[in-house]
Amino acid sequence: QVQLVESGGGVVQPGGSLRLSCAASGFTSSSYGTHWVRQAPGKGLEWVAFIWYDGSNENYADSVKGRFTVSRDNSKNTLYLQMNSLRGEDTAVYYCAKDRLATYTFDYWGQGALVTVSS
Amino acid sequence: EIVMTQSPVTLSVSPGERATLSCRASQSVNINLAWYQQKPGQAPRLLIYGASTRDTGIPARFSGSGSGTEFTLTISSLQSEDFAVYYCQQYNNWPLTFGGGTKVEIK
Repeated sequence: QVQLVESGGGVVQPGGSLRLSCAASGFTSSSYGTHWVRQAPGKGLEWVAFIWYDGSNENYADSVKGRFTVSRDNSKNTLYLQMNSLRGEDTAVYYCAKDRLATYTFDYWGQGALVTVSS
Repeated sequence: EIVMTQSPVTLSVSPGERATLSCRASQSVNINLAWYQQKPGQAPRLLIYGASTRDTGIPARFSGSGSGTEFTLTISSLQSEDFAVYYCQQYNNWPLTFGGGTKVEIK
């Protein structure tokens, strides 16, 4: 079955960096785009970033553009989110989510990784 | 950026009753609209895409309608497992955007 497992969350100081990983299994991950979506504590969903199936293109929310970078290693079936210059407002659960057949909807989600930005 | 507005924020419904949730887009998104369900402590689940197409395994009591700027998610007869938060999402334009959510609670 399709599985997405995030790792790398934790506590980081403002201005710091963190890299999240998302390991995919149960499907041919190299054939699908993948998103990062976040949810601040007690708040709604916010789309963060998208990377095409082959890594050839990326899209970012304005709130993270220039600070976050999404990448993938299809040989390892793994997606990454490099987060730099972190701010308090980046505190959230970060989900990786599989794109549904290039529709830019999310049909499978990981369990999420909590990132807390605090001094 | 397309702003998605959901109403009501909270909907109190008795089991077995119908629930009607609304989602409005600040500009036309055609039928590029999806609905998700999220339960506490869980990741969201895709219910509907293309405004009205149920994803695999989604019960028929969930239905979606609308186009352009006005959309509706209807749950025909609420079951205990349907009490959750529901989000709409547009994918007509970048950036992808979500509505603020509607919490469906037990009356």
